[in-house]
Amino acid sequence: DTEVTQTPKHLVMGMTNKKSLKCEQHMGHRAMYWYKQKAKKPPELMFVYSYEKLSINESVPSRFSPECPNSSLLNLHLHALQPEDSALYLCASSQGLAGYSDYEQYFGPGTRLTVT
Amino acid sequence: AQKITQTQPGMFVQEKEAVTLDCTYDTSDPSYGLFWYKQPSSGEMIFLIYQGSYDQQNATEGRYSLNFQKARKSANLVISASQLGDSAMYFCAMRELLGNNDMRFGAGTRLTVKP
Repeated sequence: DTEVTQTPKHLVMGMTNKKSLKCEQHMGHRAMYWYKQKAKKPPELMFVYSYEKLSINESVPSRFSPECPNSSLLNLHLHALQPEDSALYLCASSQGLAGYSDYEQYFGPGTRLTVT
Repeated sequence: AQKITQTQPGMFVQEKEAVTLDCTYDTSDPSYGLFWYKQPSSGEMIFLIYQGSYDQQNATEGRYSLNFQKARKSANLVISASQLGDSAMYFCAMRELLGNNDMRFGAGTRLTVKP
C-alpha cells in the first residue's frame, strides 16, 4: 500500500474561519511533509516532521499550524487565512530520515483550498 | 544552496514518439538523489523514477529512463513511446544527503502528447 490520503479534497473558507486539513499514511513512513502549490508553480515545502517531531519550518506564517498526533497522521490547522493562501496543499511521506537522500516521497491527492 | 532548473516550460510530442525533458541541478553536496514526478491535471504528484548520485547506471522504469550526466549536472527524463495519458506537468526534484529531508523542485515542464 503506497497510498497517502488527504481530506477534504476541496475546502472553501472565510478569512475568520478555523479549519483543519488531514493527512494519513499507513506505510510506516517516519517523515511527513506539507507543501503548498500555487497554480502553474512547483510545490513549496512548508513543514517537515521526522519521527513525529517538527524538523523543518520554512518560515511559514503562524496562521498555519501543523500537528503530528502520531506517526500515521499529519494535520494542518488553518486560522485567519488570507485570499493569497488559496492553493493546492499537498501532503507527502517518505521512509527517509535525516541523512538519507534516496527515499522518494509519496504524495496525497491534495486539498484545493479557496479563501474568500 | 541547491537549485533545480527546467528550461522547457512546455513540450509537445506525437503519440508513440519519444521525448526528452531537461533538468539541470546545482549542488555542492557529493551525495544526493534526483527524482522525477508527474502531475496530471487532477493534482496528485506521481513518483516516476529515482537516480542516486553514486549510481553507475542510468535508472530505468518501464517507459521512463533517466539520462544522468553527472559531470554536466543534468538528469534528463526520457519517455519512450508516448501515450495520450502522459500529458501532464513533469517536475524534476533533488534531495541532498545533508538536506534534512527537504526536496526541492524545478519549475516544471508541461508535456502535451498529440494524437
